[in-house]
Amino acid sequence: NAGVTQTPKFQVLKTGQSMTLQCAQDMNHEYMSWYRQDPGMGLRLIHYSVGAGITDQGEVPNGYNVSRSTTEDFPLRLLSAAPSQTSVYFCASRPGVGTQYFGPGTRLLVL
Amino acid sequence: SQQGEEDPQALSIQEGENATMNCSYKTSINNLQWYRQNSGRGLVHLILIRSNEREKHSGRLRVTLDTSKKSSSLLITASRAADTASYFCATDYQGAQKLVFGQGTRLTINP
Repeated sequence: NAGVTQTPKFQVLKTGQSMTLQCAQDMNHEYMSWYRQDPGMGLRLIHYSVGAGITDQGEVPNGYNVSRSTTEDFPLRLLSAAPSQTSVYFCASRPGVGTQYFGPGTRLLVL
Repeated sequence: SQQGEEDPQALSIQEGENATMNCSYKTSINNLQWYRQNSGRGLVHLILIRSNEREKHSGRLRVTLDTSKKSSSLLITASRAADTASYFCATDYQGAQKLVFGQGTRLTINP
């Protein structure tokens, strides 16, 4: 199993550009989540999903959209990038209530 | 915010000593989990303790949970240089279907 994969590993955007961070898992997990981590900080939940077709907002959802059309994929869309969205983004999945598995992260720099 | 709090924010000890980190949370939980992160990489799951458990062991790790005080602690015994990392607690709140992380404790083991 590849586990949780994320692409790209690193991205530079200009203010106002849009992009999609990809996340996929091959463990048939119901739950998937997106977090952002700023330097020296913990993880803050952006959006999460408890199954295909079901998504909900986390602590810091503004400026981000998600969709969950399949169990495997959970892309995160930045609608109009801002410097405040410079961060490391982690995707994670888990089989309902239980251990969460993380992807390697995407480092995003917005100029 | 439902985010838990960790204490201390940073801890520096000598190799061979024990390290204790604490986590407090706010409402009823299904379980509480501890994760480790090395240098901004993805988080790795260490241990999960359910709300009806009071103590759990895994190798040199010991986790306790006090639901009456809404707190947990992680003890690492006989620390090694390789234990240098950031440690995060994550709470799985009842009815919330999401995992919320604390700010983390940055542990440094000095040789």
